[in-house]
Amino acid sequence: NAGVTQTPKFQVLKTGQSMTLQCAQDMNHNSMYWYRQDPGMGLRLIYYSASEGTTDKGEVPNGYNVSRLNKREFSLRLESAAPSQTSVYFCASSRTGTSNEQFFGPGTRLTVL
Amino acid sequence: QQQVKQSPQSLIVQKGGISIINCAYENTAFDYFPWYQQFPGKGPALLIAIRPDVSEKKEGRFTISFNKSAKQFSLHIMDSQPGDSATYFCAAPRDSNYQLIWGAGTKLIIKP
Repeated sequence: NAGVTQTPKFQVLKTGQSMTLQCAQDMNHNSMYWYRQDPGMGLRLIYYSASEGTTDKGEVPNGYNVSRLNKREFSLRLESAAPSQTSVYFCASSRTGTSNEQFFGPGTRLTVL
Repeated sequence: QQQVKQSPQSLIVQKGGISIINCAYENTAFDYFPWYQQFPGKGPALLIAIRPDVSEKKEGRFTISFNKSAKQFSLHIMDSQPGDSATYFCAAPRDSNYQLIWGAGTKLIIKP
């Protein structure tokens, strides 16, 4: 039982490059989330998926796209990376809704030069 | 825009002391207030949460106190230990059931 896994752990991109962050959970959770964490700003929700087949924008969706591939997997894509997207990205899942515990992955540290 | 204001930003407490972190929130659609703990290089993990049909919840050395009229809730860590050194985040639900608004975090250091 691995919980929530994320790949890659680290990534360096040049401005304008694209990449996809992968996330998978093995807890049969319905809801999945992508956050970014910046110093002094806590966690900010980028996109979430309430259930398989649905995705919705969070607080800071600009510059990102997501795909809920199946119940287990939720990917985050940066189409044209910008230095402002330098951050630590966390994927999380919960049984359903925010009033259930969210389980977080180990994070991806992304640097955009 | 809805906010959760968390204080202090950083806190140093002697081993055995009481650590107190406070959060203030704006209107929420429903009442559910979790605290998460994060160690360096790791993702946050749920520490304790309260659904305020009660004003206080205790789990071991950790207690959440909730004041609905003041729209404030706080985390108390009794008998603080060096292993409690971490960053703590409070959160509150946004208007939908699927979004949490997070405080900016408190970096807690427990001195031996």
